[in-house]
Amino acid sequence: AQTVTQSQPEMSVQEAETVTLSCTYDTSENNYYLFWYKQPPSRQMILVIRQEAYKQQNATENRFSVNFQKAAKSFSLKISDSQLGDTAMYFCARSGDAGNMLTFGGGTRLMVKP
Amino acid sequence: EAGVAQSPRYKIIEKRQSVAFWCNPISGHATLYWYQQILGQGPKLLIQFQNNGVVDDSQLPKDRFSAERLKGVDSTLKIQPAKLEDSAVYLCASSSGLAGVSGELFFGEGSRLTVL
Repeated sequence: AQTVTQSQPEMSVQEAETVTLSCTYDTSENNYYLFWYKQPPSRQMILVIRQEAYKQQNATENRFSVNFQKAAKSFSLKISDSQLGDTAMYFCARSGDAGNMLTFGGGTRLMVKP
Repeated sequence: EAGVAQSPRYKIIEKRQSVAFWCNPISGHATLYWYQQILGQGPKLLIQFQNNGVVDDSQLPKDRFSAERLKGVDSTLKIQPAKLEDSAVYLCASSSGLAGVSGELFFGEGSRLTVL
């Protein structure tokens, strides 16, 4: 089975500091997409950032950036200047064959402390 | 733009009873997904529709779960009979195209099921 692994069940960071969430994945595809989704407590999941595997340049969205290492099948999320509103579950996900579905990792619970 | 609507938000049933969840995707979104999220785990795909056709239902426990999207718009997920291990949040999501191509799934708030 092709899997997505998030090795950090929980993390915490002080407000205004930087934190990195790890993700590794398995795939036999050459072209695919990677995503980080955020799920705040009792609220719906929203897309944070996405990366197309054929692009070398790491994606950036304001305070969120990724470190994509295709050969290592690694896709980490860096959150700079952490804010209290960043407190949430974060899920890494990978697209499947022909982009038909997303496979999610087990999630990392991030707590931003004041 | 209205988001993905799901109902009910919460449901508590006894084991062996039946339950149905409803989802209305974002207008114009051809692809609809049902995910099961057990507490402390990531979402797991149950079924994916493209318009009113099934694209992937390989992980749907077909002996007890069923889903339909008759007119290619809203969808219903049914569980009959429910088991204790079905306790989870059932997430509906939609996208304008295939997830990997369009890049973004839009999720509803989920329906939390507790089976006693």
